[in-house]
This record gives sequence, structure tokens and C-alpha cells, in this order.
Amino acid sequence: EVQLVESGGGLVQPGGSLRLSCAASGFTFSNYEMHWVRQAPGKGLEWKGLEWVSYISSSGSTIYYADSVKGRFTISRDNAKNSLYLQMNSLRAEDTAVYYCVRGQAGSKWGQGSLVTVSS
Amino acid sequence: EIVLTQSPGTLSLSPGERATLSCRASQSVSSSYLAWYQQKPGQAPRLLIYVASTRAPGIPDRFSGSGSGTDFTLTISRLEPEDFAVYYCQQYGNSPRSFGQGTKLEIK
Repeated sequence: EVQLVESGGGLVQPGGSLRLSCAASGFTFSNYEMHWVRQAPGKGLEWKGLEWVSYISSSGSTIYYADSVKGRFTISRDNAKNSLYLQMNSLRAEDTAVYYCVRGQAGSKWGQGSLVTVSS
Repeated sequence: EIVLTQSPGTLSLSPGERATLSCRASQSVSSSYLAWYQQKPGQAPRLLIYVASTRAPGIPDRFSGSGSGTDFTLTISRLEPEDFAVYYCQQYGNSPRSFGQGTKLEIK
């Protein structure tokens, strides 16, 4: 079974750092480009829309970031460990969101998400 | 950056009816690299359609996608109770990738 399992989320103060991990299983991880996508909380129990955050090619040689995180976030991968990472520095309140690990050019598989809360 | 505008924001229909959701891009989407996702409360999005009209594995044939250039449509031919959810379009032909703001499909 194809699985993506995120971990590393939690509560962090503004200006702090956090590292998300995504463990992949059930497919050949090194064959796929990977992405991070986030979804911020809205009012009440609802959530806002989806925001693409970052991309890394299957080999790790090509990387892109959304302007909102450029210079603060770093995406990386370890194909030997079937793992994807997102190092998040200088965190802001507006970075509060569920972060999803997503497989492939069209997001054919999503993890369950990891909640990051930036608050003092 | 390509901006995707989905309409309507909310669509109220009954089971058995036909749903038509629109996604309009601010500029042409490269190679029709347009995907549709379904998201239910408390769940991650699920891929329904990619390259504008190809159903993802396991997606029922009542879901269909069409369009090219700047105008795309997701059609659900006969709504089942489990289809009521939020639907997002995404373009992945140009960097940065972008999502529409979503259409909420609710039971009338």
C-alpha cells in the first residue's frame, strides 16, 4: 500500500524553527518528484484553501519555492531512506497550517498532514 | 503566476442531480496540466482528474473533466451522497503551481 506519513509538527514561537519529515512506503520513492502543500485554518472548524509550498525533483537536483517561504524554508530528500523533509526557519504566524507531503507531478498521493502552529 | 478562479463558490444540489464546476485560469495552462481534487472534512485532498480529463485510478466514471487553455470544467453526472465535499482545481504546468480557491458542493 502506498503511504506517506508526515511527522515533526507542533507548536513553535514566532521566529522559531521546525523540521517536518515525510516517510514514504509502498512505491519507489526515488522515481517521484515530491511537493509540500499547506492549508491554513479558517473560521470555526473550516479550513482555508490549499497553497503549494515547495517542489523537489526525483533526484533532488531541482528545487522550487513559493515566494511566501523563499529564503526561510528548505526542502530536501534522502532517497536511501525514502524520506522527504521541510526545514522551516524564521516561522511566522501566517505559516500556521496543516502541511501535506504530496507525491508526483499531479498529486496522486497525499499524506495525512502535520499541523504546525506558530504562536507565542 | 497563474491565478485560478473557481465558480461557483458554493453549489447546492440534491443527490441524483448533475454538478458542473468551473475553473478559469488567468493565462493558458501549459499542456493542459490541470488537476481536480476532492477534499472531505478532516481528510487530505484526493486526486480525481489530471491532464484536464484523465480520471485517476479508482475514481468512478460519474466524474469527468474537460477543457483546455484557460477554461476547465469538472462534471459529476449523478451526485451520490459521498460526493458532497470541497473541490479544488490546480495547475501544474507552470511554476509556481497554483490552486483555485475551491467550490463547496453542499446538499440542498
